[in-house]
Amino acid sequence: AQSVTQPDIHITVSEGASLELRCNYSYGATPYLFWYVQSPGQGLQLLLKYFSGDTLVQGIKGFEAEFKRSQSSFNLRKPSVHWSDAAEYFCAVGGYNTDKLIFGTGTRLQVFP
Amino acid sequence: GAVVSQHPSWVICKSGTSVKIECRSLDFQATTMFWYRQFPKQSLMLMATSNEGSKATYEQGVEKDKFLINHASLTLSTLTVTSAHPEDSSFYICSASPGTSGGVEQFFGPGTRLTVL
Repeated sequence: AQSVTQPDIHITVSEGASLELRCNYSYGATPYLFWYVQSPGQGLQLLLKYFSGDTLVQGIKGFEAEFKRSQSSFNLRKPSVHWSDAAEYFCAVGGYNTDKLIFGTGTRLQVFP
Repeated sequence: GAVVSQHPSWVICKSGTSVKIECRSLDFQATTMFWYRQFPKQSLMLMATSNEGSKATYEQGVEKDKFLINHASLTLSTLTVTSAHPEDSSFYICSASPGTSGGVEQFFGPGTRLTVL
């Protein structure tokens, strides 16, 4: 079955601390992987995506993610979190033969000053 | 670029009435549009996929007669919730894609919060 798991429902970090949000996927074909961010009451904004090539991808707002095929993971990282990063983060998977995305359940990030 | 708008941003209606939500791609032609439903503190659940000029493809378990989708042009798709009931209350989000193949980015609208009394 195709699925995306985000094990951490809620994460709290201090401003300036590093961040890693976990994402594991199950997909029957070569996965295309995405990270989106959603602020309260808003739609989703794409942070970064991986299709092929270099397994470490850089995104907007200082985020990066690393694709590890052996672990079926695509974890999101940021070296120093800002208070404005507080939001809901969604990992999603798609494939070359479909335009549909499967979303994880999301991780809510809270940032303390 | 790549802006998607939704209208209205929120709507309150009485049980039994119908509500129409519009999704527009403002600066690109959207070959495909997607409609999602999001419950509080939960993920996005794909309801249906629509391509301009053709009937929408609904996900399993989604009532096509209740959630009418029309993709009349390359910049506009509408979702009509017919005979709405309180259990239809939710946050509805649309997205638009300029392509039909995998890996093409979806651009998301800001969402519409529907409350049915």
